[in-house]
Amino acid sequence: EIVLTQSPATLSLSPGERATLSCRASQSIDIYLAWYQQKPGQAPRLLIYDASNRATGIPARFSGSGSETDFTLTIGSLEPEDFAVYYCQQRTNWPRFTFGPGTKVDIK
Amino acid sequence: QVQLMQSGGGVVQPGRSLRLSCIAAGFTFNTFGMHWVRQAPGRGLEWVAVIWYDGSNQAYADSVKGRFTISRDNSKNTVFLQMNSLRAEDTAVYYCARDYRDSRYFDYWGQGTLVTVSP
Repeated sequence: EIVLTQSPATLSLSPGERATLSCRASQSIDIYLAWYQQKPGQAPRLLIYDASNRATGIPARFSGSGSETDFTLTIGSLEPEDFAVYYCQQRTNWPRFTFGPGTKVDIK
Repeated sequence: QVQLMQSGGGVVQPGRSLRLSCIAAGFTFNTFGMHWVRQAPGRGLEWVAVIWYDGSNQAYADSVKGRFTISRDNSKNTVFLQMNSLRAEDTAVYYCARDYRDSRYFDYWGQGTLVTVSP
């Protein structure tokens, strides 16, 4: 099983600041990684797929990068609605799709 | 607009069964694979099962293989998750989710339904 590790566990920032979230895979997953945002009591929302492609309707302040084992989600300038938990997910290891444990972005 | 409307959760005793349903609207259901993903209380996300667009194939997480069955009725735009031999560790919010362009990513999600397995 491919294990995804996310860091930091919690990121405390102020609105307007830049957020950088990391996801590391236990083995190479090429570019096959997605990022999701989840707010309390809500279902996750797809932000980024294949490491760097924004999903439909996702603002340009969200960007993804990386390949192989190291990936980054960057939120260029935090808006109040961006404070949430972010998960990465790999789809390389069929059919054992796995998620990372999440990074919580909270208000400083 | 795309909607996934779930039903069927509740409290059930260990060893019993439960069936979840997810009705889709706003897209051509019979052209999309569908998944179930779950989230234990206060925990992260765990993929559970997938079914092909035509129902011809399914796959499961090791944690549910042999106990859970995913199925679909394309005439009713509905995907199901039959859960048998339930265990306490199956307690979670269960989400149905649409497969994004056969990518095995999940672009639309249901609202979630809580399944609690307790004596």
